[in-house]
Amino acid sequence: EAGVTQFPSHSVIEKGQTVTLRCDPISGHDNLYWYRRVMGKEIKFLLHFVKESKQDESGMPNNRFLAERTGGTYSTLKVQPAELEDSGVYFCASSPFTSSSTDTQYFGPGTRLTVL
Amino acid sequence: AQTVTQSQPEMSVQEAETVTLSCTYDTSESDYYLFWYKQPPSRQMILVIRQEAYKQQNATENRFSVNFQKAAKSFSLKISDSQLGDAAMYFCAYTGDKIIFGKGTRLHILP
Repeated sequence: EAGVTQFPSHSVIEKGQTVTLRCDPISGHDNLYWYRRVMGKEIKFLLHFVKESKQDESGMPNNRFLAERTGGTYSTLKVQPAELEDSGVYFCASSPFTSSSTDTQYFGPGTRLTVL
Repeated sequence: AQTVTQSQPEMSVQEAETVTLSCTYDTSESDYYLFWYKQPPSRQMILVIRQEAYKQQNATENRFSVNFQKAAKSFSLKISDSQLGDAAMYFCAYTGDKIIFGKGTRLHILP
């Protein structure tokens, strides 16, 4: 069974540019989560999809971040325009639809975003 | 607000020895779950062990065990017979309505 995959693994962009991160969850997993880890700090929750619906987006930093999950399969996280403080590792995780956040979450390898 | 604290940014242990990683958390909830995740270098994060707060018995998974002290809000991870493959970043996590991670402890295994 394929795990959670994320693309790209690394992205280096200049301030003001746009970047789109992609996450493919484990097939059949209804829950999809995005997290971000800034260097040396905690992994912070960004948002949670149940299928194609945003269940909780309380962790999204600001309106420069847009997450979508059309069709309830893969998800994209777009940052537009990127700022220096957006640099970090963006993780995606998925879990089956049972009890949502208390489920074991399966994480992707992360996308390391560097904004110059 | 819930918080998770890992007070050891880095630790080292000799191969085959035992090491304990500490984690404390703060919450006013009574029903929650605690996790330890491991992220090896350049690889994805995987679940090591999980503990339900309502269970008094400490969870164990092979060489990995926890010391869960609910009253003290402590959730330490013990790794016995450390192996080179245990070298990784270890994250303690709490989940109630959403998951909250600590900053992580980087564990080095010395051959």
